[in-house]
Amino acid sequence: DVVMTQSPLSLPVTLGQPASISCRSSQSLVYSDGNTYLSWFQQRPGQSPRRLIYKVSNRDSGVPDRFSGSGSGTDFTLKISRVEAEDVGVYYCMQGPHGFTFGPGTKVDIK
Amino acid sequence: QVQLVESGGGVVQPGRSLRLSCAASGFTFSKFAMHWVRQAPGKGLEWVAVISHGASTKYYADSVRGRFTISGDSSKNTVYLQMNSLRAEDTAVYYCARSLLTMENFWGQGTLVTVSS
Repeated sequence: DVVMTQSPLSLPVTLGQPASISCRSSQSLVYSDGNTYLSWFQQRPGQSPRRLIYKVSNRDSGVPDRFSGSGSGTDFTLKISRVEAEDVGVYYCMQGPHGFTFGPGTKVDIK
Repeated sequence: QVQLVESGGGVVQPGRSLRLSCAASGFTFSKFAMHWVRQAPGKGLEWVAVISHGASTKYYADSVRGRFTISGDSSKNTVYLQMNSLRAEDTAVYYCARSLLTMENFWGQGTLVTVSS
């Protein structure tokens, strides 16, 4: 089974400053069709999760362009260029379709 | 507009069964992969099961395989999760979600399942 790890698990940030979350998989996420199915989800307090990024670097509709995803193989990164108050929450990476596995989550809050 | 509404949660004794429903509106669920994802109190997200578009394939997490069954009813545009032999560790909010990997993603508001004697 593919194991997903994230770092850091807690990320205090200053408003207006950048933030970065790392996600690593225990095996390559390049699928047989040539795609890499790595997604990022945001879960604000008290809300259902919401996907931000799919296939490593594609932003979902309505997601602010301050969010960006990058990476390949087993190493991936979610970056927030300038953190805003509404970005507080927990961020999860997720892999598929070798089964589906979420990372443990990174809690982002304001310093 | 697209909506997913889960129902069927509640308090159930260990070893008993429960069936969750996810009513889809604004789209035809059989054209998309539909997932169940759960979140234990204060914990992270755990993927549970998926039914592919057209219901041709179904996959399960190791933690629920053999106990849970995902299915769909096209006439009701509803996805189900039949949960048998429930354990305390199955206590969680269960979310229904459309298309986790590629196509436009949507989530329901979740339904709470509590397994307790």
